[in-house]
Amino acid sequence: EPEVTQTPSHQVTQMGQEVILRCVPISNHLYFYWYRQILGQKVEFLVSFYNNEISEKSEIFDDQFSVERPDGSNFTLKIRSTKLEDSAMYFCASSAGRGARTEAFFGQGTRLTVV
Amino acid sequence: GDSVTQMEGPVTLSEEAFLTINCTYTATGYPSLFWYVQYPGEGLQLLLKATKADDKGSNKGFEATYRKETTSFHLEKGSVQVSDSAVYFCALRGGGADGLTFGKGTHLIIQP
Repeated sequence: EPEVTQTPSHQVTQMGQEVILRCVPISNHLYFYWYRQILGQKVEFLVSFYNNEISEKSEIFDDQFSVERPDGSNFTLKIRSTKLEDSAMYFCASSAGRGARTEAFFGQGTRLTVV
Repeated sequence: GDSVTQMEGPVTLSEEAFLTINCTYTATGYPSLFWYVQYPGEGLQLLLKATKADDKGSNKGFEATYRKETTSFHLEKGSVQVSDSAVYFCALRGGGADGLTFGKGTHLIIQP
């Protein structure tokens, strides 16, 4: 069964450092997403990406964040200068289509710890 | 904005007990509603969904009915198993939105 894969599963980084989280979406999907879950809080939408550009972003997704699809398979989330409050589980997701009825498939997540 | 409220956990039940996890939502328009499950050490998996009022989603013995009049999408299962222990997330996607809006999640613990 096709799945979304994320690497690494756990990343520890020092405050102020740049970090890149990687995701391989399901191969025939066209829409890609990042979500995050701070420990004990809700899963929050960060950004969606389609046709090599951001389709929608939340207010959390500020200038410190960027996304990229550098090749035909990977989808990355970069945090430019990490802060302690960026510590969270980051989930990548992909879907074949867009809209209310579309099912999104999630990866296992990358746990980011900023120290 | 859109929001989802679900009962706080943890919810602890004995095997074969009846399960209800409450979920209510606030949204404009006609959202689709979802239940996701996260087993220990794994990612979010879609459990079931409903895309319009009065639809019932079902999977693996779980059911939820889209109730527009009460803006609810409660998750139920008639007889839970230890293997159902997980965190359950209620979520919605509005008609014009890309992203899902999630509830806080409910940790379900089933004891043998």
